Amino acid sequence: DAGVIQSPRHEVTEMGQEVTLRCKPISGHDYLFWYRQTMMRGLELLIYFNNNVPIDDSGMPEDRFSAKMPNASFSTLKIQPSEPRDSAVYFCASSLWRGVDSYNEQFFGPGTRLTVL
Amino acid sequence: AQTVTQSQPEMSVQEAETVTLSCTYDTSENNYYLFWYKQPPSRQMILVIRQEAYKQQNATENRFSVNFQKAAKSFSLKISDSQLGDTAMYFCAFISPPRDDKIIFGKGTRLHILP
Repeated sequence: DAGVIQSPRHEVTEMGQEVTLRCKPISGHDYLFWYRQTMMRGLELLIYFNNNVPIDDSGMPEDRFSAKMPNASFSTLKIQPSEPRDSAVYFCASSLWRGVDSYNEQFFGPGTRLTVL
Repeated sequence: AQTVTQSQPEMSVQEAETVTLSCTYDTSENNYYLFWYKQPPSRQMILVIRQEAYKQQNATENRFSVNFQKAAKSFSLKISDSQLGDTAMYFCAFISPPRDDKIIFGKGTRLHILP
């Protein structure tokens, strides 16, 4: 398996522009997570899905952020309009729920480094 | 609320030395899992080692081992014979199914291995 795939790897945009980050989870995984990592805040969970349904979006910073998972093999995180403070590395991760007696390891993608000028 | 605390923001050790990274957590659950993830400069998050709370024996993976103290809610990572490639950010993490289906991460410890 190719692992979790994210695109683009780097994105530079100007303030006010729309940004779309993409993620392809590992085939067969039923959970998908979006994280944001900055020096100031560390690793923050933004939102996660189970079987394509958003379960918890309490980490989404504000209405400018939205995430979708139209099918089991694809998810997007959109920022509209983008602001300089959105500059960060955004990670996607996926996992397979194996039950309460399992560790349910998360596998991370390589991340997208977003720079908003 | 369940929390994970890493009290050492940054550490440096000489190559070949042994280093221990600290992690404490807070939970009222009895069944849970603990992890250490490594994030090298490439940014890729890599699972280093995991521990099931119901297991008393400490997990080991080659040069990496943990000291799991359930009563003290402590989960430290020991790296023996440290190598330059161990330079990375290390995150301690926790999950407690079925209550939680998401992992809770600590803030991380940045480890520098010096030549």
